[in-house]
Amino acid sequence: DTAVSQTPKYLVTQMGNDKSIKCEQNLGHDTMYWYKQDSKKFLKIMFSYNNKELIINETVPNRFSPKSPDKAHLNLHINSLELGDSAVYFCASSRLTDTQYFGPGTRLTVL
Amino acid sequence: GQQVMQIPQYQHVQEGEDFTTYCNSSTTLSNIQWYKQRPGGHPVFLIQLVKSGEVKKQKRLTFQFGEAKKNSSLHITATQTTDVGTYFCAGPWAGGTSYGKLTFGQGTILTVHP
Repeated sequence: DTAVSQTPKYLVTQMGNDKSIKCEQNLGHDTMYWYKQDSKKFLKIMFSYNNKELIINETVPNRFSPKSPDKAHLNLHINSLELGDSAVYFCASSRLTDTQYFGPGTRLTVL
Repeated sequence: GQQVMQIPQYQHVQEGEDFTTYCNSSTTLSNIQWYKQRPGGHPVFLIQLVKSGEVKKQKRLTFQFGEAKKNSSLHITATQTTDVGTYFCAGPWAGGTSYGKLTFGQGTILTVHP
């Protein structure tokens, strides 16, 4: 009964490639988020969707494009990957202002 | 912009010693949340404090919310190796409608030596 799931768990790719990470939640939450966690463990919000509508769009390169096909899914597509994109990406969900439930993370390594 | 500062960044303790991490916000918070992330894991919600001066306990963990609702602390009594991980505080973004946006502190990485 995984609450928030992400695929893949690990992603190793070359610079310049395009990749996607998928997230699904079965908690019935209306808000989903993408976070980036760097090597120093700092958690930075990237995007948030509420009922499929983009509501938070932080200062993130436009190579990153989120897409929410429905309330339960939020995907992240990254174009032209760079070395600095290497990090752990977490998906999370919540009822709008409630506590957040995080997925297991996707460790992205760009070579 | 709103900042949430957390100290210390690292803490190494011997098993059985106490541990405290402190969180300070540049703005008044409507609530503060604490999360724990085990090594290799994901952040997991621990607790939310809402009231000024509130104190909550979970077994060996004691959470406090300051009177001015701008600071908070997490204290662990008699640490165990299972306490290892990164502890984050997080507050709702104060820049307008938060839409659930949280500002996380930098986290305190706790190491417990057996």
